[in-house]
Amino acid sequence: QKEVEQDPGPLSVPEGAIVSLNCTYSNSAFQYFMWYRQYSRKGPELLMYTYSSGNKEDGRFTAQVDKSSKYISLFIRDSQPSDSATYLCAMSENYGGSQGNLIFGKGTKLSVKP
Amino acid sequence: GAGVSQSPSNKVTEKGKDVELRCDPISGHTALYWYRQSLGQGLEFLIYFQGNSAPDKSGLPSDRFSAERTGGSVSTLTIQRTQQEDSAVYLCASSLDFGVGVLKNIQYFGAGTRLSVL
Repeated sequence: QKEVEQDPGPLSVPEGAIVSLNCTYSNSAFQYFMWYRQYSRKGPELLMYTYSSGNKEDGRFTAQVDKSSKYISLFIRDSQPSDSATYLCAMSENYGGSQGNLIFGKGTKLSVKP
Repeated sequence: GAGVSQSPSNKVTEKGKDVELRCDPISGHTALYWYRQSLGQGLEFLIYFQGNSAPDKSGLPSDRFSAERTGGSVSTLTIQRTQQEDSAVYLCASSLDFGVGVLKNIQYFGAGTRLSVL
């Protein structure tokens, strides 16, 4: 079993839809959870990060962490064609130091149709 | 610089040849990371540098892979005797620091080097 599981998609939605992206993980020591967005032929860029359990909202994006279920989610409201990209979840036991190396999911490819 | 710069952006080589991939981190960033992104496999962590030192090289896939960083800035990832399974996108990232603290450790990625081994 991989440490981080993420459905690769592809996921296709109409413009304006609410998108839900998810990852599950097996390592209970993970404390820091991140979502990266990667456009084609570009490097990943950090969208959101959360520490431990709970919700975090930033504009149209909401990140949720449920440590008891080892499950994290990213919600995108009012999705736009410019949101079309691959979304990668990442997590680590610590932020920085020897346990700070990020473990990534495989990424979910999202396409938002106008 | 404005962001993490990697060169070349694309590299096609023949099996058995050596290749060097270069990463120029954001100015002032002391930590530097190398990842490999294979099709359908996600990002695989390879190695990180704290300054010029790489404390843990266990993520490198084989002894054909090596990396160095000089002057606390530019890093080079070298793959010797390339194999077809080395074909992937090699991504470099840098962060301001490498201690405890979320904001200091946010990793900024370059666009990657797309390596194709024929």
